[in-house]
Order: sequence, then C-alpha cells, then structure tokens
Amino acid sequence: RKEVEQDPGPFNVPEGATVAFNCTYSNSASQSFFWYRQDCRKEPKLLMSVYSSGNEDGRFTAQLNRASQYISLLIRDSKLSDSATYLCVVIHSGTYKYIFGTGTRLKVLA
Amino acid sequence: DVKVTQSSRYLVKRTGEKVFLECVQDMDHENMFWYRQDPGLGLRLIYFSYDVKMKEKGDIPEGYSVSREKKERFSLILESASTNQTSMYLCASSLQGGVQPQHFGDGTRLSIL
Repeated sequence: RKEVEQDPGPFNVPEGATVAFNCTYSNSASQSFFWYRQDCRKEPKLLMSVYSSGNEDGRFTAQLNRASQYISLLIRDSKLSDSATYLCVVIHSGTYKYIFGTGTRLKVLA
Repeated sequence: DVKVTQSSRYLVKRTGEKVFLECVQDMDHENMFWYRQDPGLGLRLIYFSYDVKMKEKGDIPEGYSVSREKKERFSLILESASTNQTSMYLCASSLQGGVQPQHFGDGTRLSIL
C-alpha cells in the first residue's frame, strides 16, 4: 500500500461546480500536510497548508481528519483556470521526508 | 517571493555522458532537494541536503550524486547517463523545520538518447 494515495481522476466538472478531492495517508505519525497545484509540464506550486482545525483561502477549503487519516480539498465555484493536477503532501514528524501523492487531475469544462 | 532557478528547461544528452543539473535558490533556505517525476509514479526523492556539504540519500539515489558547496546551490550529477534516466527533474528548497513547504524550480526535462 502506498504511503499517500489519491484518486488519479480525471474529475470533469462544469464551471461553477463544487468539487472535492481526498488524500489518504497510512502513517499515523504524519505531522504536516499541504496541497500543491501542478499545471501540465510545469512545476508544483504550493496551494495551501492544511491545519488541524481546517482552513479556507477564498474558494478553497482544506480539512484534516486524523482519525480516518485523510486530508481533503474542496473547490467552490470552479473556474476554467482551476484545471490542473492537485498533489497532496504529507510530512512525517521528525524527518525531512515529504511524501507526495501522485495527484488528482481536475478538468473544469465550459 | 522565493526563487528557485534550474539551469536548463530542456536538455538532451547521450548515453554514458556525465550530466550536471544545477539549482540555485535566493531565499537562504537550509534544505534543498532533487526529485524526478515520471507519469504514474509521481515525485520521487533522489537526494536532499539540509546544510552545506551535507547530503542524504532519498528513495532512488542509484546512478546519481549531488554536491552542495554553497548554501544557495545544489547540483545533481548523473555519473553515466542511461536512457532510464530520461525524466523531468525538479529541484526544491525549504526553510529548516519539518513543517515548512517546499518551493520548486521550473524543472529540467532531460532526454537521454
């Protein structure tokens, strides 16, 4: 079993829709979590950190469920420009090791 | 804004050549990382460094070496390039401390013929 798992998608949604992705992790010692966005043939860019209490940045909401060991990303009012691959990242406590998921591909359709 | 600069966007080399990929960051970050990214496999860590002249093997170090002589620069070396090293190579940096996000360079798309 992979340490970090994501549904590869693609998720095809119409403009204006709400879409959510989950990312599950297997190591309960995981300490920190991030969501990155990666456009085709470009580098990953930090989208947002994920805090225990959940956090929001505009149309994006990130949540952490430690009991079930997953993080989620919710995108409201999807835009065409949200089309990208979304990577989750998990960091184990006391290590430098960042574990990347393989990403979930989102396509927002006009 | 953090700037991580990789020396080449695209590179074509021949089997057996020694290949150097350079990465420079301008934010005084302690940690630097080299990954490769392949379809379906995601990002895989090759090497990382948490200080000048310090290096640690990642998950797939075979066939690679690294050099960090200055804080801002982290070089990846393919000792004798092989076709299975054709990939997208990504450099990243972060502040020290396990909760800091990584910032990536533009990537180098390397083809070994």
